[in-house]
Amino acid sequence: QVHLQESGPGLVKPSETLSLTCSVSGVSSSNYYWSWIRQPPGKGLEWIGYSDHSANANYNPSLKSRVTISVDTSKNQFSLRLSSATAADTAVYYCARVITLISGAYNFDYWGQGTLVTVSS
Amino acid sequence: DIQMTQSPSSLSASIGDRVSITCRASQSIANYLNWYQLKPRQAPKLLIYGTSSLQSGVPSRFSGSGSGTDFTLTISSLQPEDFATYYCQQSYSLPLTFGGGTKVEIK
Repeated sequence: QVHLQESGPGLVKPSETLSLTCSVSGVSSSNYYWSWIRQPPGKGLEWIGYSDHSANANYNPSLKSRVTISVDTSKNQFSLRLSSATAADTAVYYCARVITLISGAYNFDYWGQGTLVTVSS
Repeated sequence: DIQMTQSPSSLSASIGDRVSITCRASQSIANYLNWYQLKPRQAPKLLIYGTSSLQSGVPSRFSGSGSGTDFTLTISSLQPEDFATYYCQQSYSLPLTFGGGTKVEIK
């Protein structure tokens, strides 16, 4: 059974770097793309980006200059770093596995429960 | 970016009702459309992928249809565990984008 669990600070100061980790169990992190998605309070879902263990990554252009997603196969986990955080980055952050179909389509078939990160001084 | 618009943004329904949620894309996305169910404090769940393919383990009362720009998620007979917020998502092009969500509440 695939299980994902987010971890990291729940409070980040403005201008600092928001860092989260997603621990993966039940499957090897070397075999898939892994993604981060967020949901600001009262708003919809926003895709942040995805990467595989070879650093083949794609990021949302709206965040690309500030985002890094990396995969650590030795720990079977992947991480998110979002620099220069502002209050607009306050959100529930979800990690998810990416499935790519033969057609080229993507979906997110397993998700973590999400973790709330607040950016405030 | 492809904009995804869901309607309605919320609805009230009773147990046993047939419920339909619509998702419209700002341009054609062929059948590259997925549906998710979100509940508070739970991991989101993939329901439908590729417009109409049921994800493993998802009850058959959920179905999806459509193509091009207009898509529908239908719940044939609403159950207590179906009260949640539903989101569509396109994977036709990057950046991947989601609809604004439809909250299904108890009447």
